[in-house]
Amino acid sequence: SAVISQKPSRDICQRGTSLTIQCQVDSQVTMMFWYRQQPGQSLTLIATANQGSEATYESGFVIDKFPISRPNLTFSTLTVSNMSPEDSSIYLCSVLSPGAYEQYFGPGTRLTVT
Amino acid sequence: GENVEQHPSTLSVQEGDSAVIKCTYSDSASNYFPWYKQELGKGPQLIIDIRSNVGEKKDQRIAVTLNKTAKHFSLHITETQPEDSAVYFCAASKGGNYQLIWGAGTKLIIKP
Repeated sequence: SAVISQKPSRDICQRGTSLTIQCQVDSQVTMMFWYRQQPGQSLTLIATANQGSEATYESGFVIDKFPISRPNLTFSTLTVSNMSPEDSSIYLCSVLSPGAYEQYFGPGTRLTVT
Repeated sequence: GENVEQHPSTLSVQEGDSAVIKCTYSDSASNYFPWYKQELGKGPQLIIDIRSNVGEKKDQRIAVTLNKTAKHFSLHITETQPEDSAVYFCAASKGGNYQLIWGAGTKLIIKP
């Protein structure tokens, strides 16, 4: 399985500001995913990030609010822009194991917007 | 669209007893069914998965069963221990590049 790290692990931000979350994988992967998990809830897919192409966003999520970069096969960033308290959540990145079905998750970034 | 229902939402069992969590899916084309364990403050951890070409898979105290006809699959944990306390999520997908469709989660509490 892949080892995935995220930075920061947690942050408290003021409304109207932006936060960029980093996701680093210890091996090359084609597909990376960004999820949001609100307190006590299940996971909601924000977007799929493939290296070399634009991210694909799920219904309800837009690029202006959640811009994603995928500069290489081991790294991705998610920016939460113009934050409001409703953006308070856990943000998780995951990777698809190459040639397989398994998805592995990072430890998450706990964001609180005040 | 695809939907995955998970029951129960909370399960409390005595240490040493067995725990069973059930999920049903709606898309008959789904062929991959993973289970994740999420401890407080951590990301989901893949604990076991099953593909549609098998009916059961076991890994030590954990097993997953799949009934394709009924479109449901279950997680079985035997001889539960305090460290099994966590939230468990089931998911389903059509495999490969298709996204996972998640259940709502089950909070498993192991009573000493």
